[in-house]
Amino acid sequence: DQQVKQNSPSLSVQEGRISILNCDYTNSMFDYFLWYKKYPAEGPTFLISISSIKDKNEDGRFTVFLNKSAKHLSLHIVPSQPGDSAVYFCAASAGGSNYKLTFGKGTLLTVNP
Amino acid sequence: NAGVMQNPRHLVRRRGQEARLRCSPMKGHSHVYWYRQLPEEGLKFMVYLQKENIIDESGMPKERFSAEFPKEGPSILRIQQVVRGDSAAYFCASSGTGTSEQFFGPGTRLTVL
Repeated sequence: DQQVKQNSPSLSVQEGRISILNCDYTNSMFDYFLWYKKYPAEGPTFLISISSIKDKNEDGRFTVFLNKSAKHLSLHIVPSQPGDSAVYFCAASAGGSNYKLTFGKGTLLTVNP
Repeated sequence: NAGVMQNPRHLVRRRGQEARLRCSPMKGHSHVYWYRQLPEEGLKFMVYLQKENIIDESGMPKERFSAEFPKEGPSILRIQQVVRGDSAAYFCASSGTGTSEQFFGPGTRLTVL
């Protein structure tokens, strides 16, 4: 039973354009959401997070949008750069801080020069 | 400021041997999490520990797997009598008190022959 779903295994965009990565969840108890970026043979790197009390959080080129009624979140990267090419994982937690994360299977983003 | 450290980075074991994976959290972090990533999958939660306490081990297999985080020294994930299905990347993460962002180490890639 997959509680966090990333339905696009891969996404390819041109440098300078917007990348939109999507994530859906089923567990209504999730109240904190995070995006991680992962290069091969490395650990995930924290990118940006959002609490369920917000619907948008922005940090530089990265913006996360949360639609609680649809149980959907998305990560926007603009402008996309070749160095953004990596696997992006959506993760969620329930019960506030310091709790286990449930991950999606990831989306491989390729940014073409 | 050193990040999360894991060793060894690569570990090869024959079936039936024991595997010991070590994790040193970021300085100032007292919460440690272990996750496992199988090929083509997302990360799966295994166990959440604080110093000398196991807080949540709901993701740990019932047999052969154990974890500890002693008062002094790194957290240890121990796998007894390894089988081929234990081959995976094992990631450790840490967080500070009152924060939900978990920071990951580079992982240990376990190969069981």
